[in-house]
Amino acid sequence: AQSVTQLDSQVPVFEEAPVELRCNYSSSVSVYLFWYVQYPNQGLQLLLKYLSGSTLVKGINGFEAEFNKSQTSFHLRKPSVHISDTAEYFCAVGLYNFNKFYFGSGTKLNVKP
Amino acid sequence: GAVVSQHPSWVICKSGTSVKIECRSLDFQATTMFWYRQFPKQSLMLMATSNEGSKATYEQGVEKDKFLINHASLTLSTLTVTSAHPEDSSFYICSARSGGDNQPQHFGDGTRLSIL
Repeated sequence: AQSVTQLDSQVPVFEEAPVELRCNYSSSVSVYLFWYVQYPNQGLQLLLKYLSGSTLVKGINGFEAEFNKSQTSFHLRKPSVHISDTAEYFCAVGLYNFNKFYFGSGTKLNVKP
Repeated sequence: GAVVSQHPSWVICKSGTSVKIECRSLDFQATTMFWYRQFPKQSLMLMATSNEGSKATYEQGVEKDKFLINHASLTLSTLTVTSAHPEDSSFYICSARSGGDNQPQHFGDGTRLSIL
């Protein structure tokens, strides 16, 4: 069975501090990995994706994520957050050769001044 | 690029009416479209997957006669909530994808449905 786990439901952080949002997955087949951001009452916006190749992936808005196959993780990081980064972040896993995504439960990032 | 438009963004209607939600890919051809439902403070729950010109594939527990999905063209899919009731109130989000399963889904802004 496949699953995506985002251990932290909420992450409070001060502006300009670094942040890491954790994502772990389990799958019996090869996966593609994505991070999305959702602002209130809006759909999801793609931040970055990992398909293959370099395990460090850079995305929009200064975010990056690292794929760790041995730890089955795909943690999202930003070295210095802004107030505008306050949103909910979803990790998603796509299964190789399957027409389906699995989403984590989301992590609310709250950036304080 | 990769813009998905969803309409309407908010709808309030009486119990028993049917509501249609449109999902359009504006600048690409969407071979596959997905419909999700999101409950408050929860993640997205996939309802169904549709390929252009084919019948939608529904997830277990989703009533196909309740949630009618039509994917008539490569740029348009519609979700019709038939005979809606208050328990159908939710945030519905569509996404569209061009190409194979290694491609990201691009999401619309969602439709908040409130049934009185």
